[in-house]
Amino acid sequence: DTEVTQTPKHLVMGMTNKKSLKCEQHMGHRAMYWYKQKAKKPPELMFVYSYEKLSINESVPSRFSPECPNSSLLNLHLHALQPEDSALYLCASSQAQGQETQYFGPGTRLLVL
Amino acid sequence: DAKTTQPPSMDCAEGRAANLPCNHSTISGNEYVYWYRQIHSQGPQYIIHGLKNNETNEMASLIITEDRKSSTLILPHATLRDTAVYYCIVRVGRLLTGGGNKLTFGTGTQLKVEL
Repeated sequence: DTEVTQTPKHLVMGMTNKKSLKCEQHMGHRAMYWYKQKAKKPPELMFVYSYEKLSINESVPSRFSPECPNSSLLNLHLHALQPEDSALYLCASSQAQGQETQYFGPGTRLLVL
Repeated sequence: DAKTTQPPSMDCAEGRAANLPCNHSTISGNEYVYWYRQIHSQGPQYIIHGLKNNETNEMASLIITEDRKSSTLILPHATLRDTAVYYCIVRVGRLLTGGGNKLTFGTGTQLKVEL
């Protein structure tokens, strides 16, 4: 199974809402990633978790809060977002060792009103 | 990680080979060349990677020049389903402290395969 799943597929939220994005993989990968992709732009790395510990935060605003409750799950908690945060949020995973490749989920398309 | 340069767009007739170039003139000896693609509204998909030698898998071939300053991704018989943005990424082989790796996507090449 080489699948990374993400829920929900689409999300519309107001600026005062709190919501969460969920990512799951069952490939035994120990590194997981969040990327943000604006329309017609390439994906940009936000966070990297390795062995359930946060190893990289690419200066992401605190209104985005990642969480890795176990080796298969990755969440992104959203609070007080701005309309410019509307984007496709992609999750990926990799083995965390050697010349591993990243497997991406289909993404969650977020619209902030 | 080294910067890459790719043409913004290319067209290819279905059934013909699609040759996608990538320049990475500042590549270091320990940096690999990776190719990913992203079909519209989907997550990126790994295609192939290499260090020095040419590589082939079931999806594509990767040709790296001897000086490693450029490479070409070849889709031997392009189909309509190969229409996508293709990203060439150069990154070091070492892992981040604690594990995992970092992909820095450039602007990529929009390949359009037509009948």
